[in-house]
Amino acid sequence: EVQLVESGGGLVQPGGSLRLACAASGFTFSSYWMSWVRQAPGKGLEWVANIKQDGSEKSYVGSVEGRFTISRDNAKNSLYLQMNSLRAEDTAVYYCALSIGAPEVFDIWGQGTMVTVSS
Amino acid sequence: EIVMTQSPATLSVSPGERATLSCRASQSVSSNLAWYQQKPGQAPRLLISGASTRATGIPARFSGSGSGTEFTLTISSLQSEDFAVYYCQQYNNWPPLTFGGGTKVEIK
Repeated sequence: EVQLVESGGGLVQPGGSLRLACAASGFTFSSYWMSWVRQAPGKGLEWVANIKQDGSEKSYVGSVEGRFTISRDNAKNSLYLQMNSLRAEDTAVYYCALSIGAPEVFDIWGQGTMVTVSS
Repeated sequence: EIVMTQSPATLSVSPGERATLSCRASQSVSSNLAWYQQKPGQAPRLLISGASTRATGIPARFSGSGSGTEFTLTISSLQSEDFAVYYCQQYNNWPPLTFGGGTKVEIK
């Protein structure tokens, strides 16, 4: 069974840092694009970043460019999101998502991890 | 950035009735359009990609149509488990990949 399990969320002060992780199982992790998508409380979905199978290509939404870094460790079947200079508007549930077909379509989602940026 | 606009924001439908949800793109996205369903407290689930291709395990009562800038998700006969929020997403021009604001389908 394909499974994505996020971890690393929590409460952090504005300007702080947090590293999210997504543990993948049930499929060949190194064969697929992966993404992070977030959802602020009571709001819609916002794509954050994605990364190619070998990590050679990465893209970000403009609001996190230069502050967030997506990465992956194929040997550990894990996806990461390093979040620096956090702002209140980064408060959201962060989902890890797997793209099986088109790299831009999110076929499978994790259950999410909550990040709260507040003093 | 391509802006996706969904309408209506809320749709009140009785079980067994047909629901029609709309999604409009600010510029052509060809057929590079996906639909997702999200129930309260759950992660989104892929319903349709390529504007009209159902994902694995999605019931035939869900259908998608459209191309260019106008798209429709139709649920032919609403079941109790279909009451949820639905999002469209374009993947023709990116970054960024963009979602619509969602349509909540509620029980009438």
